[in-house]
Amino acid sequence: QSALTQPPSASGSPGQSVTISCTGTSSDVGGYNYVSWYQQHPGKAPKLMIYEVSKRPSGVPDRFSGSKSGNTASLTVSGLQAEDEADYYCSSYAGSNNVFGTGTKVTVL
Amino acid sequence: QVQLQESGPGLVKPSQTLSLTCTVSGGSISSGSYYWSWIRQPAGKGLEWIGRIYTSGSTNYNPSLKSRVTISVDTSKNQFSLKLSSVTAADTAVYYCAREPWFPIWGQGTMVTVSS
Repeated sequence: QSALTQPPSASGSPGQSVTISCTGTSSDVGGYNYVSWYQQHPGKAPKLMIYEVSKRPSGVPDRFSGSKSGNTASLTVSGLQAEDEADYYCSSYAGSNNVFGTGTKVTVL
Repeated sequence: QVQLQESGPGLVKPSQTLSLTCTVSGGSISSGSYYWSWIRQPAGKGLEWIGRIYTSGSTNYNPSLKSRVTISVDTSKNQFSLKLSSVTAADTAVYYCAREPWFPIWGQGTMVTVSS
């Protein structure tokens, strides 16, 4: 199984929005509504931000939203804040396996 | 709430077997419809799912690591474990244990270096 493809970097000014894509295949992203997104700050464990494509766990701000079209999922962070600067990873169920994305570094300008 | 803690040697020699344990606290590893995974992250690189175990004992492994990985569970100790055989420098990484589905709960991670 190959890693899901994410852009290496994305950026925006405070208050703006940034969208990160996550491209897979019909065997993972496109085949299941089981995409999740994680935020990881340096030296820390990843934190779940979105699951089942668009659901937010309790405590995650509604500035974070997820969607999917075909084999590509997306994470949008609206109203960027300084603390949103981090690495973001997508993940998808892939038929008994799990696969992560390549990761995107989000910079708040 | 449920917490996870990885433990094991931080240094493993090439060709030997890496062994890590994840201890679950704050809840029973057998309760709920959960399963338990290992994930690793080489320095400066992305996350790689290694595999998972259900409390029934059934497992799923990353096809790229399947020949070298064994994940087991000890419900009496509320622990699950990872063994990765024939390690090389490429297996040097931070190893995390996490609960599925969705990985809402992670351990803090433990650094394992493969070096002679």
